[in-house]
Amino acid sequence: NAGVTQTPKFRVLKTGQSMTLLCAQDMNHEYMYWYRQDPGMGLRLIHYSVGEGTTAKGEVPDGYNVSRLKKQNFLLGLESAAPSQTSVYFCASRSAGAGVEQYFGPGTRLTVT
Amino acid sequence: KQEVTQIPAALSVPEGENLVLNCSFTDSAIYNLQWFRQDPGKGLTSLLLIQSSQREQTSGRLNASLDKSSGRSTLYIAASQPGDSATYLCAATGNQFYFGTGTSLTVIP
Repeated sequence: NAGVTQTPKFRVLKTGQSMTLLCAQDMNHEYMYWYRQDPGMGLRLIHYSVGEGTTAKGEVPDGYNVSRLKKQNFLLGLESAAPSQTSVYFCASRSAGAGVEQYFGPGTRLTVT
Repeated sequence: KQEVTQIPAALSVPEGENLVLNCSFTDSAIYNLQWFRQDPGKGLTSLLLIQSSQREQTSGRLNASLDKSSGRSTLYIAASQPGDSATYLCAATGNQFYFGTGTSLTVIP
C-alpha cells in the first residue's frame, strides 16, 4: 500500500505558466482533497471531490481547477500561475462516512517566480 | 464558517515533561476532531481521531479529549521525548476539514 502519493515533489514555474499536480491513492477512498499550506495560515482547502466525476469548491478555489476522472486520481491544475500561488500543496483522501480519518500525501512544494 | 484556533503557537519543554496542547473551534456541529503531527518538510500524519459521540481517545503516550459543548479539544502528551518535536495540528471536521495553524513543539534533551 503506497497510500497517498503526489507528483511532482518540487516545481518552479514562471508567472503565467501552467502545470498539473497529480494525486493518487490506492486505498479505494471516495473522498479526495487538495489543500495549500502557507506560513501562519494553516491548511486551506482548495477543491475536493466526493466521488469519481464530481468536484466541489473549497475555501480558496480561485486560480485552480480540478478533475477526478478516475476514483484513484485527483488532479489540480494551475492555468496561469501567479506568485501568490507559491505554496506547499497537499493532497488527502478518506473513506465515506462520518468517523473516518483523513490520510495525507507528502506534499508538493511549488514556487512561482 | 468554522474557525479553529490552537494555543500556544510554539512550546518548548525539557524532556520528560507532560504537556497539553489546546485546540478550540467555533461551531460545535462537527463530525470528528482529528489530531495530526507534521515534521518539517513532510506531510501530515494522523495521531488520533475523536468522533463527535466520544469524549476521548488514547494511543500510547497520547490522549486526546473532546468537549463539543465548549468547543475545545486537548492533546495530552505524557513523558515527552525529543522525537516528539514537531508541529501538531488539529482539524474539526464537518462536511469539510478545518485546520488550526498548529503548535510547534520542541522537546529539549
